[in-house]
Amino acid sequence: QKEVEQDPGPLSVPEGAIVSLNCTYSNSAFQYFMWYRQYSRKGPELLMYTYSSGNKEDGRFTAQVDKSSKYISLFIRDSQPSDSATYLCAMKEGYGQNFVFGPGTRLSVLP
Amino acid sequence: DTAVSQTPKYLVTQMGNDKSIKCEQNLGHDTMYWYKQDSKKFLKIMFSYNNKELIINETVPNRFSPKSPDKAHLNLHINSLELGDSAVYFCASSQEIVYATQYFGPGTRLLVL
Repeated sequence: QKEVEQDPGPLSVPEGAIVSLNCTYSNSAFQYFMWYRQYSRKGPELLMYTYSSGNKEDGRFTAQVDKSSKYISLFIRDSQPSDSATYLCAMKEGYGQNFVFGPGTRLSVLP
Repeated sequence: DTAVSQTPKYLVTQMGNDKSIKCEQNLGHDTMYWYKQDSKKFLKIMFSYNNKELIINETVPNRFSPKSPDKAHLNLHINSLELGDSAVYFCASSQEIVYATQYFGPGTRLLVL
């Protein structure tokens, strides 16, 4: 079993839809959870960062972490064509630098 | 103002050659990283440097060597390039070790023929 798993997609939704992106992981020591957005031929950019369990909201984006299920989610409300990108989840243990990334989910929001 | 920059953007070279990729950050961060993203889009950390000290070295062949002349730069040298080295290499930086906020460069696409 891979350390972090993520459905690669592609996921196509109509403009305005609510998008749900998910990752599962196996390492119960992970404490920091991140979502990155990567446009084609660009570097990843940090969208959301959550410590431990719970929810975090930022504009149209909501990140959820359920450590008991080893499951994290990113919700995008009122999706826009400009949200079309690959979304990578990433996580790490407490103090270490060992960031572990999922393979990414490719999202297309159709106008 | 580019926060994290890399040069070159594209690099095409023959097997066996030695090449370098440069990275610079103007964010005042004290930790810099090199990642490799393969054709399946997996992003894997290769190295990180904090205050000019190597603090992670994953199972990366010793043909790869990071060099940090100062806090703002972390260059990647690759000796005896192999076909399997073809990938996109990303540089990143962050403020402190404990924080998870990394800023990535635009990537360098390396193709080894």
